Amino acid sequence: AQSVAQPEDQVNVAEGNPLTVKCTYSVSGNPYLFWYVQYPNRGLQFLLKYITGDNLVKGSYGFEAEFNKSQTSFHLKKPSALVSDSALYFCTVRDNNNDMRFGAGTRLTVKP
Amino acid sequence: NAGVMQNPRHLVRRRGQEARLRCSPMKGHSHVYWYRQLPEEGLKFMVYLQKENIIDESGMPKERFSAEFPKEGPSILRIQQVVRGDSAAYFCASSPGSGGYNEQFFGPGTRLTVL
Repeated sequence: AQSVAQPEDQVNVAEGNPLTVKCTYSVSGNPYLFWYVQYPNRGLQFLLKYITGDNLVKGSYGFEAEFNKSQTSFHLKKPSALVSDSALYFCTVRDNNNDMRFGAGTRLTVKP
Repeated sequence: NAGVMQNPRHLVRRRGQEARLRCSPMKGHSHVYWYRQLPEEGLKFMVYLQKENIIDESGMPKERFSAEFPKEGPSILRIQQVVRGDSAAYFCASSPGSGGYNEQFFGPGTRLTVL
């Protein structure tokens, strides 16, 4: 069965600095990997996904993620953080089965 | 194109009552998923439905919980005889197909509080 781990409960960065939110996964077949963001009292919004092809995936709001098969990682990155990026970020993995497995989430705080 | 709609947004029930949560998927989507989120936790998969069929209910508690997605109308998640431990945010998501590569589009959630 697939699983995903987000090793950091919280990430703090200063506005304008690069940010990384870490994610590692475990799946038996080819992974489909996703990042979602959740703002307070809101549903989840899709940011980006890796299906196949280029290991560097670009998504919404300037975010990107790098798929690393040897390290089974899919870290989320942004070159320059904004205060408005502060939110809860979820990494998810799916093989071709039905359920999507979520990480526990990482709370990103960007300070002015 | 309206997104995934959920209602009510907030629901308060007393112990022993029934809770009914509704989800209307995005237009053109025939696959619906229900998740439960406890405070400061990730989402836990509950059930996956297509029109008139439950495809995977492996995450659903065996008792008191049921889900349906009728031919007409929204998907319903029903919790009978609610207990305090049922208090959580319940999110519905929809996708256009069943393939694992399809992202899911989430509704705003229903926050259930059991008194």
